[in-house]
Amino acid sequence: EDQVTQSPEALRLQEGESSSLNCSYTVSGLRGLFWYRQDPGKGPEFLFTLYSAGEEKEKERLKATLTKKESFLHITAPKPEDSATYLCAVQAGSNTGKLIFGQGTTLQVKP
Amino acid sequence: DTGVSQNPRHKITKRGQNVTFRCDPISEHNRLYWYRQTLGQGPEFLTYFQNEAQLEKSRLLSDRFSAERPKGSFSTLEIQRTEQGDSAMYLCASSLANGGAFFGQGTRLTVV
Repeated sequence: EDQVTQSPEALRLQEGESSSLNCSYTVSGLRGLFWYRQDPGKGPEFLFTLYSAGEEKEKERLKATLTKKESFLHITAPKPEDSATYLCAVQAGSNTGKLIFGQGTTLQVKP
Repeated sequence: DTGVSQNPRHKITKRGQNVTFRCDPISEHNRLYWYRQTLGQGPEFLTYFQNEAQLEKSRLLSDRFSAERPKGSFSTLEIQRTEQGDSAMYLCASSLANGGAFFGQGTRLTVV
């Protein structure tokens, strides 16, 4: 069964303290891996799509990387406004575009 | 491009009542998805449309749930005889084929 696991569940950082979020997956035929940011009470906001091992994408203080078994979301010098839940999802198997999500990592950045 | 729009944003209903939610996708997107999210969990897939055809339904979608997408534009999700366990955020997303999905702000359903 296709599965996505994110760790840690929660992460508290001081402003400027860099760290990484992990997304491990087991899927049959990965078509794409997606990162989203979700603020409380709102829908997920699309960040990145990664399609193949070795691929990297960057946006401001965020950098996403992909291997054959996991993806990392690196946060460099985070600011309090980066506080949110970060969701990882995979698109696998049939060509429906259906996403299978992990449970998310809730990031809190303190000033 | 105004993004994916969902209405209403919040709905409180009594157990046993029927509710209907609406989703207006990004206009050029032919794929539309419904997901359900409970507190502390990631979204769970419910159903998928390509244009007006409903091509996949999750086993989570009991026969009290029905979704439509007439004319391949907006979509509705109806829940009949609501139960307390239906309380959740219902999210709609749209995409182009093989593209990333863009989500709406969701409809928060509370069944009392």
